[in-house]
Amino acid sequence: LAKTTQPISMDSYEGQEVNITCSHNNIATNDYITWYQQFPSQGPRFIIQGYKTKVTNEVASLFIPADRKSSTLSLPRVSLSDTAVYYCLVGPSAGRRALTFGSGTRLQVQP
Amino acid sequence: NAGVTQTPKFQVLKTGQSMTLQCAQDMNHEYMSWYRQDPGMGLRLIHYSVGAGITDQGEVPNGYNVSRSTTEDFPLRLLSAAPSQTSVYFCASRPQGGGTEAFFGQGTRLTVV
Repeated sequence: LAKTTQPISMDSYEGQEVNITCSHNNIATNDYITWYQQFPSQGPRFIIQGYKTKVTNEVASLFIPADRKSSTLSLPRVSLSDTAVYYCLVGPSAGRRALTFGSGTRLQVQP
Repeated sequence: NAGVTQTPKFQVLKTGQSMTLQCAQDMNHEYMSWYRQDPGMGLRLIHYSVGAGITDQGEVPNGYNVSRSTTEDFPLRLLSAAPSQTSVYFCASRPQGGGTEAFFGQGTRLTVV
């Protein structure tokens, strides 16, 4: 499975855009890039998934360059409630494997 | 749909005791997994299953057993609890052909004294 590297922590202020970058140099051809969000005392929650270029939903955008060796999760105009740990995962959408999580990025949003 | 349900939510065990953490999902998902999360850390995969009757080990399987007799249930058994197993345990499920979107339970907070 492709290993991912992301910053341990980030700080931001309410109303700012936050970009969290994840490196995955060994991504395989059939791997997808997925981001999860975890609040304290809760299980992780799926945010967004992409294969290439850009994906946008009501929560976030995911930017993936052509070489797919990195990806950037973009959270527009964060609020205090976006304070959480964000995990970047790389893996196949199908196949006999489970998802593995790294240490994630702890985002702290200040007022 | 209830989604993924874990019981109990909290548990205190004495060293050497055994117990089973329950996990049930009502979404007919083929894939189910167990993770543990220590304070301030990420999730580590314990065991997983790709269907009834099929299980496999994850990163940290020692001290834990699993079975998958039905699609819905995936219990995790602690054979002889140790203080090092104090952690929060999460169960997750996802459909075989549904991408990498997994659904997690609310977790079981286990303390071994």
